[in-house]
Amino acid sequence: DARVTQTPRDKVTEMGQEVTMRCQPILGHNTVFWYRQTMMQGLELLAYFRNRAPLDDSGMPKDRFSAEMPDATLATLKIQPSEPRDSAVYFCASGYGSGNTIYFGEGSWLTVV
Amino acid sequence: RKEVEQDPGPFNVPEGATVAFNCTYSNSASQSFFWYRQDCRKEPKLLMSVYSSGNEDGRFTAQLNRASQYISLLIRDSKLSDSATYLCVVNPNTGGFKTIFGAGTRLFVKA
Repeated sequence: DARVTQTPRDKVTEMGQEVTMRCQPILGHNTVFWYRQTMMQGLELLAYFRNRAPLDDSGMPKDRFSAEMPDATLATLKIQPSEPRDSAVYFCASGYGSGNTIYFGEGSWLTVV
Repeated sequence: RKEVEQDPGPFNVPEGATVAFNCTYSNSASQSFFWYRQDCRKEPKLLMSVYSSGNEDGRFTAQLNRASQYISLLIRDSKLSDSATYLCVVNPNTGGFKTIFGAGTRLFVKA
């Protein structure tokens, strides 16, 4: 059963530390999304890639967040330095083509203290 | 104005009730629409796609109204297991592959 894999599942870190979240999309999917979910904001689209190229990262705070796809099987989301307001669930999702269903990983639950 | 808007609820309904959710979208060029379901502390999962002519999947019916730019989800004969957050999803399809989620509508079905 193909699925999106995310690591870490849970992360507690101190303010100022670097956090890296990783995602393995479903094999064959060419579109990868990073979302952030909080109780207050719901699911926010941070960035997305097609065929490993970043298409839009306008939802991401540029000064501290960065997203990359070093290869087709790995997407990363990095926060440096982390702040308490970054505490949220970060979801990676993947899909194929445009306008089709996307599938989510189980999320990375981040707490910055 | 948000690109996708939903009534956050919560909707509290008894078992067996019929409940309907609406969702509005701002981009008239949007082409693809979906409803996702999210259980507490879980990831969103596809419930159903929404087609122009409307579509049904068991107790669930989805409708699209392009003129008024809204989609709807109807749940008949609600079950306790339907308790979840329902997310409206729109793909603006403006040349990119952006997929936008509404904030979700919370449903509680009680015995």
